[in-house]
Amino acid sequence: GAGVSQSPSNKVTEKGKDVELRCDPISGHTALYWYRQRLGQGLEFLIYFQGNSAPDKSGLPSDRFSAERTGGSVSTLTIQRTQQEDSAVYLCASSSRAGNQPQHFGDGTRLSIL
Amino acid sequence: AQSVTQPDIHITVSEGASLELRCNYSYGATPYLFWYVQSPGQGLQLLLKYFSGDTLVQGIKGFEAEFKRSQSSFNLRKPSVHWSDAAEYFCAVITGTASKLTFGTGTRLQVTL
Repeated sequence: GAGVSQSPSNKVTEKGKDVELRCDPISGHTALYWYRQRLGQGLEFLIYFQGNSAPDKSGLPSDRFSAERTGGSVSTLTIQRTQQEDSAVYLCASSSRAGNQPQHFGDGTRLSIL
Repeated sequence: AQSVTQPDIHITVSEGASLELRCNYSYGATPYLFWYVQSPGQGLQLLLKYFSGDTLVQGIKGFEAEFKRSQSSFNLRKPSVHWSDAAEYFCAVITGTASKLTFGTGTRLQVTL
């Protein structure tokens, strides 16, 4: 079956612009996660959805970052007024349910802020 | 808070040689442990996982890992490395009621022919 799909695969934008990153999880997966991978750094957790609600958004770095999930499926991560430090690969993952179930990752969106 | 340490940033092995990548975690109770592999420009692929039971777990691509509670370790091994194994490897943990993965900083594997 189809895996986790992310779009766009690459995004280049100017500092100060807003960007939207999309994640389409594996069909039937109720849990969805966003992570960030900055160059030379590890993977950082951003936010986790169970259904359409976000029980844990502790990793969002600032109020410029927001995310939503609709219909228990597609999720959008929005970054407002982008800064150069936002440049990173943004990875989305889904799992059949929250907890100890393996998370399956998409190929990520590479975001570059000029 | 839980943490994961991968002491080796970069490892080079010859094709056909054995491989061991180290991972140590910090957590009071038994964690759920994972190894992922990331090829350039791609997402993370799950190699194997440990939840409970047999401490030696088998994964895909001929990899295995051993959970050692006394050493708080979950090292990844492969008896004979192939050139296609060159990639970055991440150890990760889920602990307690949290659902998020906490990752190590990764080990980049280079394979020489």
